[in-house]
Amino acid sequence: QQQVKQSPQSLIVQKGGIPIINCAYENTAFDYFPWYQQFPGKGPALLIAIRPDVSEKKEGRFTISFNKSAKQFSLHIMDSQPGDSATYFCAAGSGSARQLTFGSGTQLTVLP
Amino acid sequence: GAVVSQHPSRVICKSGTSVKIECRSLDFQATTMFWYRQFPKQSLMLMATSNEGSKATYEQGVEKDKFLINHASLTLSTLTVTSAHPEDSSFYICSARQGLSNSPLHFGNGTRLTVT
Repeated sequence: QQQVKQSPQSLIVQKGGIPIINCAYENTAFDYFPWYQQFPGKGPALLIAIRPDVSEKKEGRFTISFNKSAKQFSLHIMDSQPGDSATYFCAAGSGSARQLTFGSGTQLTVLP
Repeated sequence: GAVVSQHPSRVICKSGTSVKIECRSLDFQATTMFWYRQFPKQSLMLMATSNEGSKATYEQGVEKDKFLINHASLTLSTLTVTSAHPEDSSFYICSARQGLSNSPLHFGNGTRLTVT
């Protein structure tokens, strides 16, 4: 019930490509869906987050698409750059939960 | 933006010794902080929830006597790895939330612990 399933485990794209990372959840109480970016040897950094009252949120080159009925959300990175190469984690939380539930992570490599 | 500072970033210690890791919220107060452990190429594993002024809440399978957590103020939580062994070598990360449970969680930069 608390799981957040993330795919793919790894992803390689060419510079300028649009990598898409998907997450699915089961707990309908979740009402907050952030994405984190983590570089090696660093802590995760909040990238973008969405709440279920909207179906899409865009910040710069990063877009979250949210499908409430399917209980799925995804991260799209437009015009990807080698500097975007990192591990990306989706997560889900709710007002009643004290902590976030994290996906398993996706290692993204953007080739120059 | 909210900043969480973690110190040290790297530490090497000998087996049997104890190591203390600090986590500070620099520009906000955090009644709750979280401690995670992360193995290479894996997700974050929640170890415990640190509560200011009260005992920490540990996740199942985490030894509370080995991983001592103290949250003495609204801006500081510490994790002490006691009697460290090589299998405790890992990347430890803290986080803190500014506000309610469905608000952003901010992470420290992690501590790489190596036990020799």
